[in-house]
Amino acid sequence: EAQVTQNPRYLITVTGKKLTVTCSQNMNHEYMSWYRQDPGLGLRQIYYSMNVEVTDKGDVPEGYKVSRKEKRNFPLILESPSPNQTSLYFCASSPSTGTNQPQHFGDGTRLSIL
Amino acid sequence: GENVEQHPSTLSVQEGDSAVIKCTYSDSASNYFPWYKQELGKRPQLIIDIRSNVGEKKDQRIAVTLNKTAKHFSLHITETQPEDSAVYFCAANRPNFNKFYFGSGTKLNVKP
Repeated sequence: EAQVTQNPRYLITVTGKKLTVTCSQNMNHEYMSWYRQDPGLGLRQIYYSMNVEVTDKGDVPEGYKVSRKEKRNFPLILESPSPNQTSLYFCASSPSTGTNQPQHFGDGTRLSIL
Repeated sequence: GENVEQHPSTLSVQEGDSAVIKCTYSDSASNYFPWYKQELGKRPQLIIDIRSNVGEKKDQRIAVTLNKTAKHFSLHITETQPEDSAVYFCAANRPNFNKFYFGSGTKLNVKP
């Protein structure tokens, strides 16, 4: 089944404790992206990647890192999480390197930073 | 940056009525406009999209219209059903920046 898989689905942690949210897609998609969803703000793009070893900042990249060592994986790293990073996070992928294709979303990761 | 504005933020309709959600965008280079439906606790799922070379697209009870000159696009749902109740997001790309921008969402409530 074609899908985008995120792990974990839920995480409660404390300020400053490094964490990684994994994202994997099995559709051979080129473009991958991370979003955070906050009430009243819709989805805001954190980072995106157009291909292996090609990543760039979205609109809200502060406090996050990503890597794209393999085409299928695009982990989101919070080196020193803070309470303002408490949010619902979605990973998404789309087939081409351009932005004129539908994005397929994962099931989301709810992070709580205490 | 790109500003995608969406309204209304909430919309309540009676079953069988039509619902219209409107979005505006600011980058004239935007050429792809998807709409997503997000049910409570679920991921956003694409319901319809339109590209800038087309003015209207329909899929059963759902249609999207695009006015490039005015930089706005709208989602139309006819004969609404209770299962249409969800949050709907519009989005626009910025092809020169390889980014997507989403509206803030519309919570649609269809009353039986």
